[in-house]
Amino acid sequence: DAKTTQPPSMDCAEGRAANLPCNHSTISGNEYVYWYRQIHSQGPQYIIHGLKNNETNEMASLIITEDRKSSTLILPHATLRDTAVYYCIVRVGDTGGFKTIFGAGTRLFVKA
Amino acid sequence: SAVISQKPSRDICQRGTSLTIQCQVDSQVTMMFWYRQQPGQSLTLIATANQGSEATYESGFVIDKFPISRPNLTFSTLTVSNLSPEDSSIYLCSVEGPPNTEAFFGQGTRLTVV
Repeated sequence: DAKTTQPPSMDCAEGRAANLPCNHSTISGNEYVYWYRQIHSQGPQYIIHGLKNNETNEMASLIITEDRKSSTLILPHATLRDTAVYYCIVRVGDTGGFKTIFGAGTRLFVKA
Repeated sequence: SAVISQKPSRDICQRGTSLTIQCQVDSQVTMMFWYRQQPGQSLTLIATANQGSEATYESGFVIDKFPISRPNLTFSTLTVSNLSPEDSSIYLCSVEGPPNTEAFFGQGTRLTVV
């Protein structure tokens, strides 16, 4: 699985958009970009994933660059409850049997 | 989606003893994964548990210290043996969803060794 690089921490004002970057310059053609978050030592929670197109769901948007070497997770209106560690992971997604390997993640602090 | 139940949610154990953690999934899955999360750190994969075969361990983890059972497609146990304070961590189990879906995680077992 390809390695990802994320900033160790970020701040965001409540109500503003939180933009979390991730670099994955060695991503392979069949590897997807996944985002999870972990709130205060609970089990990781899935947020969103994509292959090459931008994706949006009720939680967030995922913007993947055309060369797929980086991506950005966007929380459009951050709340205090979005304070968590966010993990960007690349892994093969279109077949089964592949493990999820976590990097260090980004600790997002949402401030009132 | 898959719902994962882990037991116990937390425990305090004496050094030198062992703790067995149970992971129950509400659907049949081929592979189950066990992770360790040391205080303030990210998740580290311990091993992959397949039904009917020995678990596959990641570098730095050995079967004698972390024996795993996988008796059927919905259940697995992880034992942390010969406990020392350095084993104080959160241990999580995980299962993989269908292709092009996400992984699912239990809520973890918080182990404190005294």
